[in-house]
Amino acid sequence: GDSVTQMEGPVTLSEEAFLTINCTYTATGYPSLFWYVQYPGEGLQLLLKATKADDKGSNKGFEATYRKETTSFHLEKGSVQVSDSAVYFCALGRQDSNYQLIWGAGTKLIIKP
Amino acid sequence: NAGVMQNPRHLVRRRGQEARLRCSPMKGHSHVYWYRQLPEEGLKFMVYLQKENIIDESGMPKERFSAEFPKEGPSILRIQQVVRGDSAAYFCASSLESHRNEKLFFGSGTQLSVL
Repeated sequence: GDSVTQMEGPVTLSEEAFLTINCTYTATGYPSLFWYVQYPGEGLQLLLKATKADDKGSNKGFEATYRKETTSFHLEKGSVQVSDSAVYFCALGRQDSNYQLIWGAGTKLIIKP
Repeated sequence: NAGVMQNPRHLVRRRGQEARLRCSPMKGHSHVYWYRQLPEEGLKFMVYLQKENIIDESGMPKERFSAEFPKEGPSILRIQQVVRGDSAAYFCASSLESHRNEKLFFGSGTQLSVL
């Protein structure tokens, strides 16, 4: 069945470092791919998405490119800030369900000043 | 404009007790979804409700779990006779429409601990 695998955390970086959080998926067809973020004490928020191969989603300096050849959707940011500390979730939108998502386990990111 | 509100944030129950988790959707939203996140795992879909109707409960365990979304008041996820394996984070989401994944708005979750 469909699945999402993302790198385990926590990931600890210094401010202004380059960030990559890996996400790979297994799915039939052409799913949509999402990154959600959960800041401390808050609900999950959609960070960015991509709906087809080679699409690049971007928001708040974060980017992720839908790579069908490597079945990946890695999250990147060129220069992280302390305020980026959060848990990041990669998710896949199933084609046979318009409201069910397949989720990765989440990656906790800690940014030190 | 308040977001999706879940309460309590933390709930501790002993084995055999009942757990009630509440979710108030965003204003104007009539679609509610419940997810469960077991330790070290991703969120798993449990149930989708519209006002007074269960639309899809394919992800919900057949026994001990029930959900409702009454005409008035919050959606309730009820777990009877809790067991240690029910310990998890339970997230609620709401949407204005049901057909676009990206329009889900999530609450901050309820962490259930079963002693």
